[in-house]
Amino acid sequence: TQLLEQSPQFLSIQEGENLTVYCNSSSVFSSLQWYRQEPGEGPVLLVTVVTGGEVKKLKRLTFQFGDARKDSSLHITAAQPGDTGLYLCAGGNGNTGNQFYFGTGTSLTVIP
Amino acid sequence: KAGVTQTPRYLIKTRGQQVTLSCSPISGHRSVSWYQQTPGQGLQFLFEYFSETQRNKGNFPGRFSGRQFSNSRSEMNVSTLELGDSALYLCASSLEYRGFTDEQYFGPGTRLTVT
Repeated sequence: TQLLEQSPQFLSIQEGENLTVYCNSSSVFSSLQWYRQEPGEGPVLLVTVVTGGEVKKLKRLTFQFGDARKDSSLHITAAQPGDTGLYLCAGGNGNTGNQFYFGTGTSLTVIP
Repeated sequence: KAGVTQTPRYLIKTRGQQVTLSCSPISGHRSVSWYQQTPGQGLQFLFEYFSETQRNKGNFPGRFSGRQFSNSRSEMNVSTLELGDSALYLCASSLEYRGFTDEQYFGPGTRLTVT
């Protein structure tokens, strides 16, 4: 089993603050995806990173894939209440095709 | 384009019973994956189907099974239900079987409660 540990598990911040969520593993992944899930809904894909050291920006969200492809981070600048949700990282392995290993999740609450 | 649909949305069953959940992928998507989500274990991969063939299988007992039809719709079945099977079951579809870079689109899930 390839485990992905996310930290912190819970995060409550004020609107306008910055935050970083971490996703760590002892295993190497071919890709790393980040999802956001809201209550009563399925996860929604935010980004896919595939190259070690890769950085992708999506408006106020910055995603980074570690050089060794074992870890990733998600940084949110000037958080807004609409960013509230469960953030999940998921590792993909070229040997297992479409099988993704999901992280433990980070529950983010942004207080207006 | 309609998203991934799952039926039913909510289900209550008794221990020992069996249950069948249904998933209709986005039109044109040929890969369907199933996941189980619980507060304690998070999101865990059950299995993945592509062109009616099971391509990958997670570490779940044989009570969990699935199938995919020629129109890409998929069903999963859980027999001899246990209390620990209570969970949100999520279905995800992707356009084609490209592997680890696939963009998966999730349905809203079926909330199964076993009493």
